[in-house]
Amino acid sequence: DGGITQSPKYLFRKEGQNVTLSCEQNLNHDAMYWYRQDPGQGLRLIYYSQIVNDFQKGDIAEGYSVSREKKESFPLTVTSAQKNPTAFYLCASSPGIIRGAGEKLFFGSGTQLSVL
Amino acid sequence: QKEVEQDPGPLSVPEGAIVSLNCTYSNSAFQYFMWYRQYSRKGPELLMYTYSSGNKEDGRFTAQVDKSSKYISLFIRDSQPSDSATYLCIVAGNNRKLIWGLGTSLAVNP
Repeated sequence: DGGITQSPKYLFRKEGQNVTLSCEQNLNHDAMYWYRQDPGQGLRLIYYSQIVNDFQKGDIAEGYSVSREKKESFPLTVTSAQKNPTAFYLCASSPGIIRGAGEKLFFGSGTQLSVL
Repeated sequence: QKEVEQDPGPLSVPEGAIVSLNCTYSNSAFQYFMWYRQYSRKGPELLMYTYSSGNKEDGRFTAQVDKSSKYISLFIRDSQPSDSATYLCIVAGNNRKLIWGLGTSLAVNP
């Protein structure tokens, strides 16, 4: 059953703590993305990766870090520098980088991160 | 002015109604238009994709783009309770950067 798996579903962060959100895909997609979703705001791109060992900052990369050591995996670390981390985090993948030509994003089920 | 504006609703309709969901956008250079559906606490899924102006139909769903008025619409015929979700409109230009609307929450009541 192909798809994108995000874990955990819920995550709590203490003050000053780094936390890592997992994202794994078995769709053999080259491109992977991390978005943040907040009430009253559209999805905002944090980081994206077109190929293994390469990634680019999105619109709101500050306070976040990523790695892409394997094609299937694109973990996101929310660092203590991110002062407002409470949000719903969505991981997505696509066959190639989105070119607007009908390629679609495949999303995971999301991780809700909250601050204790 | 936001690049794409979407009424957040909520919109509540009876089962079987025709639903009209709308977005306006500000940049006439946008030429890629998409609608995603998102169920509560799930990831969005692509419903419709349209390039430039015109209509596109897929089953009970019709996407319409009017570039002269910078207005995009999604129509749902014979709405079902399973259509209850948030509908997100997305626009993009030649740089392929996706601009997401806030989403309209729809409830279809049996």
